[in-house]
Formats: sequence, C-alpha cells, structure tokens
Amino acid sequence: GAVVSQHPSRVICKSGTSVKIECRSLDFQATTMFWYRQFPKQSLMLMATSNEGSKATYEQGVEKDKFLINHASLTLSTLTVTSAHPEDSSFYICSARGRGVTEAFFGQGTRLTVV
Amino acid sequence: AQRVTQPEKLLSVFKGAPVELKCNYSYSGSPELFWYVQYSRQRLQLLLRHISRESIKGFTADLNKGETSFHLKKPFAQEEDSAMYYCALRETSYDKVIFGPGTSLSVIP
Repeated sequence: GAVVSQHPSRVICKSGTSVKIECRSLDFQATTMFWYRQFPKQSLMLMATSNEGSKATYEQGVEKDKFLINHASLTLSTLTVTSAHPEDSSFYICSARGRGVTEAFFGQGTRLTVV
Repeated sequence: AQRVTQPEKLLSVFKGAPVELKCNYSYSGSPELFWYVQYSRQRLQLLLRHISRESIKGFTADLNKGETSFHLKKPFAQEEDSAMYYCALRETSYDKVIFGPGTSLSVIP
C-alpha cells in the first residue's frame, strides 16, 4: 500500500508555544488529507478534512484558529497547534487519500505532550 | 447524526475459536463501510471494505442494510489476530470517515 509519513513521531513543547506536525504522502499524490485526534483508549476523532489548495473543513467543536491546517501541495499537509496547552496533549494522526480512491492511508501518528 | 457503534470494548477468544466483532451504524445515505486494524505499536491499516467483498487474513464482513450492521468474522482465530479493530463509515456526501470506538481483540493461546 501507499506510504504516509508523519513527523515528528513525538514532540514535547512548553505551554503557550506552537508546534507543527507534518503529514507527507511519499509515493502518491494526496488530494485529500484527514487529521484525527485520539485520546488514550479512545477512538479516532476527526478534526478536519483538507483538500489540496483549499481551506480545511473543520468538524464541529474544533477550533480552526487553534488547529491550523495547511494543505499546500499534493504531498504535504501540516497541522499547527497554536498556543498549546496541556489539554492539547494527545495523539494526532493524519491520513491521506489519492484522487478517485476511497481508501485512505494512515500516518504513524504524533504524540504531543504539552508541559 | 451519523454514528458507528462497536458494543464490545474488549473481546477475548481462544485460539482456533470463531470470532465476531460487532459493528452497527446509522446513516441516512448509502454507506461505505470499512474495517481497520491496529496491531501493537503499528499504524492503523485497512483490513477490508464492504465494496470489494474480499477476505483478508481470513476475515470477512457482510453489510446488512436491514440490520445496519457490518460485523467482522473469522472462523478460526489466530494469536496474531490480537489487535485493536475499528469499524469505520465513509460519508459519501461529505467525504469524511467516521470511526467507531474500537474493539480490542485478544486471542488466548
């Protein structure tokens, strides 16, 4: 299957700072990328859907000014957690899908810890 | 609202026994349903989808629109099947995938 890579896999940041997470499709063009958040022992919660070259569509209850998503190219989407707080600590997962394909491939996830 | 439910958080079966992981959904349109699996310390990966009607690693799942279910089955569980299993629904109109809460399957040797 296709490969999706997230970077970094783990990050620790201080409260009040911003942190950027990258999601890259390595061997295909990702026209759509999804960002999920997963709390311990819970399911994946969809945060937003982004299509290349257009603004992301955020799910209800997700602050778009807090979680900035940029999908500037067909192989890269970024999630920036701005002014991070300890409650933003979580596992963030991206998935990417190519044009005309229903299957989405997942990154390995990023463990964010805000101290 | 569109929902995916998996009633069992944990399921333990003995090796060689049949296994069934339940999934029910609510969706007003025509659903596209998937099963994803996450092995320990690995990323989420697609196991199977209802459209292709295939069998992967011995697992099958049939979409039952009358019962709004998409249960995952395998006749003889193997130890390597121990993992977290997520049922997911793709909303075709909004093009997003919603996940169920997941079931942790443990196969006892």
